[in-house]
Amino acid sequence: QKEVEQNSGPLSVPEGAIASLNCTYSDRGSQSFFWYRQYSGKSPELIMFIYSNGDKEDGRFTAQLNKASQYVSLLIRDSQPSDSATYLCAVTSGGSNYKLTFGKGTLLTVNP
Amino acid sequence: GAGVSQSPSNKVTEKGKDVELRCDPISGHTALYWYRQSLGQGLEFLIYFQGNSAPDKSGLPSDRFSAERTGGSVSTLTIQRTQQEDSAVYLCASSSTGNQPQHFGDGTRLSIL
Repeated sequence: QKEVEQNSGPLSVPEGAIASLNCTYSDRGSQSFFWYRQYSGKSPELIMFIYSNGDKEDGRFTAQLNKASQYVSLLIRDSQPSDSATYLCAVTSGGSNYKLTFGKGTLLTVNP
Repeated sequence: GAGVSQSPSNKVTEKGKDVELRCDPISGHTALYWYRQSLGQGLEFLIYFQGNSAPDKSGLPSDRFSAERTGGSVSTLTIQRTQQEDSAVYLCASSSTGNQPQHFGDGTRLSIL
């Protein structure tokens, strides 16, 4: 069973701080890695994707990938209360480049 | 519309009834996916379409579940003889091709009484 593990949280950070969300995966063959944000009662919204080792930055978000350690993370700089949500890590798995395996998500709370 | 559209948004039905859930992907997206999200569970992959073909149905939990896609666009997920354990949010996603980021619709919340 290919797994994606995330700390369920809640992770609580003050407004303006950096939030660090972590994810590990078991399938060494995974090629693509995604972060989705899911507000309560809403559908997942894609916020970042990364395919190569290293960092990828987009605005306040930075995704980091280390395939050797099977670890992917998401940093949110200058956290805002509107960032409060569940963050889902997803990786392609099962030898495919389309089938996503999701973690159960980390609940982030940004306190004003 | 610009995004993935799903209908109905909510469906309540009695155990044993059949239900149909509809997904209209982003225009031009050839890949379409169905996932299920249950309380306490992560999102589970159900099926993948490329065009009208379904090369991967490995996530369908039983033969009561089926899906089709016509015209390379709209897809329907059908659940026959519904059971209480089928209660979940059914999410549809699409991507431009099979190896591109997936964008989700708002889902159908299915409740089996």
